[in-house]
Amino acid sequence: DQQVKQNSPSLSVQEGRISILNCDYTNSMFDYFLWYKKYPAEGPTFLISISSIKDKNEDGRFTVFLNKSAKHLSLHIVPSQPGDSAVYFCAATGTASKLTFGTGTRLQVTL
Amino acid sequence: DSGVTQTPKHLITATGQRVTLRCSPRSGDLSVYWYQQSLDQGLQFLIQYYNGEERAKGNILERFSAQQFPDLHSELNLSSLELGDSALYFCASSVVVGQNTGELFFGEGSRLTVL
Repeated sequence: DQQVKQNSPSLSVQEGRISILNCDYTNSMFDYFLWYKKYPAEGPTFLISISSIKDKNEDGRFTVFLNKSAKHLSLHIVPSQPGDSAVYFCAATGTASKLTFGTGTRLQVTL
Repeated sequence: DSGVTQTPKHLITATGQRVTLRCSPRSGDLSVYWYQQSLDQGLQFLIQYYNGEERAKGNILERFSAQQFPDLHSELNLSSLELGDSALYFCASSVVVGQNTGELFFGEGSRLTVL
């Protein structure tokens, strides 16, 4: 049972444009959501997070939006840069304290 | 550099064998997590230890076991290996103080190939 879903395996965006990565979840007990970025041959690194009491969190070029009623979150990257090319994982956690990850979306930012 | 060290980085072995993966968490982190990433899959949570005690368990097979030692390093033991166990195994650590906010620091992973 995939509780965190990233339905787009890949996304290609031109440099300077907006990248929007989407994530859906099914478990209503999740109350904290995170995005991780992963480059080849490296471990995932934390990017940005959002608590369920908020609907938006910004950190520089990265903004995460949470729509609790739709059980949907998205990561916006503006403007996209070639160095943003990586696999992005959405993750969620609740009181069980373990993170549940999605399958990832590979973002390619083209020149 | 996340501060989490995993060894070995690569391991090739045969079916039926047993391997041990090692993880040293970031200095000061009490929690260690193990995740498995198979081809085209997300990271599947296996198990969490906190200060030497098992804290949470995920989809960990009975053939797999883990422990966290007094110096806080952790080992993941995989036995009776099957072809399907070929995967990237990540260790992560965090400081768990009260409510776990979920931010983990990952090592570079150990790539296991079972032939």
